[in-house]
Amino acid sequence: NAGVTQTPKFQVLKTGQSMTLQCAQDMNHEYMSWYRQDPGMGLRLIHYSVGAGITDQGEVPNGYNVSRSTTEDFPLRLLSAAPSQTSVYFCASSPRTGGLGETQYFGPGTRLLVL
Amino acid sequence: GESVGLHLPTLSVQEGDNSIINCAYSNSASDYFIWYKQESGKGPQFIIDIRSNMDKRQGQRVTVLLNKTVKHLSLQIAATQPGDSAVYFCAETAGNTPLVFGKGTRLSVIA
Repeated sequence: NAGVTQTPKFQVLKTGQSMTLQCAQDMNHEYMSWYRQDPGMGLRLIHYSVGAGITDQGEVPNGYNVSRSTTEDFPLRLLSAAPSQTSVYFCASSPRTGGLGETQYFGPGTRLLVL
Repeated sequence: GESVGLHLPTLSVQEGDNSIINCAYSNSASDYFIWYKQESGKGPQFIIDIRSNMDKRQGQRVTVLLNKTVKHLSLQIAATQPGDSAVYFCAETAGNTPLVFGKGTRLSVIA
């Protein structure tokens, strides 16, 4: 299994541009989440999904959209990038039996710089 | 809102010594806790977890202690090695809610 994969690894955007961060998992996990990590801070939850077709907002959802059309994929869309969205983004998944707060498997992250 | 925090932002230990990383939580309803290790440039990696009906849980070279009375969680690493150098996060959840992460402690192992 590849686990949780994220693309791209690095991205530079100009203010106002849009882009999609890709996340995929091959473990047949029901739960998937997106976090952002800023310097000196822990991970903050952006959006999460408990299954295909179901998404919900986390702590910091503004400026981001998500969709979950399949179990495997959970893309994160930046609608109009702002410098405040410069961060490292992590996708995570966990099995349904564990629940939302149970052990999560994290991807390698996407480093985003918004100029 | 309630949050998870850490007492020490950085910790330096000699190779071979034991390390103790502390975490305070404020949500008395939290019933499940996880410690993650994050190496530079990588995503967080699960180390060990503990449920609120336990006080202690041991893994390989790691022990997690939970004191519900004072809402305190600690991670003990025995015989710390250079490969243990990383940022360590505690995380908590109450029921079937998303994990809340603390800000992290950087562990630096001195050879």
